[in-house]
Amino acid sequence: AQSVAQPEDQVNVAEGNPLTVKCTYSVSGNPYLFWYVQYPNRGLQFLLKYITGDNLVKGSYGFEAEFNKSQTSFHLKKPSALVSDSALYFCAVRDQVSSNTGKLIFGQGTTLQVKP
Amino acid sequence: DAEITQSPRHKITETGRQVTLACHQTWNHNNMFWYRQDLGHGLRLIHYSYGVQDTNKGEVSDGYSVSRSNTEDLPLTLESAASSQTSVYFCASSEAPGPSYGYTFGSGTRLTVV
Repeated sequence: AQSVAQPEDQVNVAEGNPLTVKCTYSVSGNPYLFWYVQYPNRGLQFLLKYITGDNLVKGSYGFEAEFNKSQTSFHLKKPSALVSDSALYFCAVRDQVSSNTGKLIFGQGTTLQVKP
Repeated sequence: DAEITQSPRHKITETGRQVTLACHQTWNHNNMFWYRQDLGHGLRLIHYSYGVQDTNKGEVSDGYSVSRSNTEDLPLTLESAASSQTSVYFCASSEAPGPSYGYTFGSGTRLTVV
């Protein structure tokens, strides 16, 4: 069965420092990976996705993520954090088996707190 | 602009009552999904639909039902509300089929069962 793990409930960084939010996955075939962000009292917004090709994926708001097949990871990164990046971040996965069903499996979420 | 809207935004109901949460999308997406969000559990899939007259159970479907009579709407019904169903509910839609499509989410409904 496919699954996603976000090992950290919360990540704290100082503004201007680089940030990393970790995600690991388990799937039976090739993975299709997504990151979403949720601001308080809002729905989830799409940040970026990995389908195939370059392992470094660039997305919205200056975020990027690196796909590492050997480590089954898809960590979210940003070179310089902003206070406005503070939010709840979700990693999600879909594999080839379920690709035609459309279902995404989500991790538990990681709260990012950026302090001035 | 196309959008996906959920109503109501907030709902307080009593144990045992039937409650229906609305989800309406104008993206013309075939796939629609209902999730609940709870602290420590992330997003858990309740029900989903791949098109009109199609509905499927997710991992936490007990006590919930959906119906799909048109492309735009997927209402979620709690047959007899329980305190364990206090949660934030999100509706989502996506194009179908295909691996590269993400979801578009509604803004959520916060349901409190007292």
